Amino acid sequence: DARVTQTPRHKVTEMGQEVTMRCQPILGHNTVFWYRQTMMQGLELLAYFRNRAPLDDSGMPKDRFSAEMPDATLATLKIQPSEPRDSAVYFCASGADRGAQHFGDGTRLSIL
Amino acid sequence: GQQVMQIPQYQHVQEGEDFTTYCNSSTTLSNIQWYKQRPGGHPVFLIQLVKSGEVKKQKRLTFQFGEAKKNSSLHITATQTTDVGTYFCESNTGNQFYFGTGTSLTVIP
Repeated sequence: DARVTQTPRHKVTEMGQEVTMRCQPILGHNTVFWYRQTMMQGLELLAYFRNRAPLDDSGMPKDRFSAEMPDATLATLKIQPSEPRDSAVYFCASGADRGAQHFGDGTRLSIL
Repeated sequence: GQQVMQIPQYQHVQEGEDFTTYCNSSTTLSNIQWYKQRPGGHPVFLIQLVKSGEVKKQKRLTFQFGEAKKNSSLHITATQTTDVGTYFCESNTGNQFYFGTGTSLTVIP
């Protein structure tokens, strides 16, 4: 079965360091999402792309977060500099137009 | 603000009891998607509803979309321990995507 692939699965780093998370969407899906999930805030939409164009990044702290899609097979989410409050699980999901979103396994990020 | 409100936030049931979670909106929804997330896992798509009054079934799960397309429900008949997890609704309109806050289901054996 086709699946969304996220790397790394786990990341532990010190505050101030740059963090880069990667996502390979399902081939043929034209919409890619980045979510952050914490116990307190639940599932938050950070940004999403359609046909590689960023459509909404209003949920993302822009001073330190950036999301890009350099090509159809790769989406990235960067945090620079990272802070302890960024500790969360980050999910990438892909989908076709307004249908189902297919989630990756997530990156479990801990900022010390 | 969030377009879809989901209730309840938590639900504990004895195994064999039924369970229902509700998703409500003040505006008409184009569609509703339901997802299940097991503890430690990722959300997994269950179903999509797009038509007014639509009802879909998956084994013990029944999904409904309200006549006015402002609410939806997920009902599980005779819960099992494998039903444990958080159930989310999601809707999208235009370029906006909204997830409900989720209902965490605990099934007591």
